[in-house]
Amino acid sequence: DGGITQSPKYLFRKEGQNVTLSCEQNLNHDAMYWYRQDPGQGLRLIYYSQIVNDFQKGDIADGYSVSREKKESFPLTVTSAQKNPTAFYLCASSMLGGNTIYFGEGSWLTVV
Amino acid sequence: RKEVEQDPGPFNVPEGATVAFNCTYSNSASQSFFWYRQDCRKEPKLLMSVYSSGNEDGRFTAQLNRASQYISLLIRDSKLSDSATYLCVVNRLDTGRRALTFGSGTRLQVQP
Repeated sequence: DGGITQSPKYLFRKEGQNVTLSCEQNLNHDAMYWYRQDPGQGLRLIYYSQIVNDFQKGDIADGYSVSREKKESFPLTVTSAQKNPTAFYLCASSMLGGNTIYFGEGSWLTVV
Repeated sequence: RKEVEQDPGPFNVPEGATVAFNCTYSNSASQSFFWYRQDCRKEPKLLMSVYSSGNEDGRFTAQLNRASQYISLLIRDSKLSDSATYLCVVNRLDTGRRALTFGSGTRLQVQP
């Protein structure tokens, strides 16, 4: 089945550690996105990419990094510089110029 | 002022009731509009797009008022399964970037 796969679903991190969230899609979409959602709040854009080897910062990129070496993959690294990393992280993809985006099931990151 | 604003609710309604949500957006350059549904601890899923002429999908009706910059969602004959958070989503194209902006969501609880 086509879709977006995020892993891990649940992740615990100690303060000061970097952690990488995986996102893979087999929808042949050019555009991919990472959003963050905090309890009771809307989604905020962290990074997005419209083409391989290119990506742009979203509204809250500080403390995060991404790469887009393959069309199918858009991993997100939450660095130790991110002061409040505990959140629900959603990866999404869409056709380039398309209005509809599709989400993965999300990754819950907790800093302990 | 938030770019997309919604009443967080919760809206508690009995089964069979009709309920309406509004959403306002501040950026007049916004081009496309959507309602997404998000169940507790799950990823958002597209409920319906919103067209200027208004559109209906079964028990759901969406309307757009560009002059007043608001979007509405009407749910008729509410079901228990309609209980969820409804996210108003706006798409804009500025400086070459196309990105979705999400409202914080309106929580609906349908009660037996």
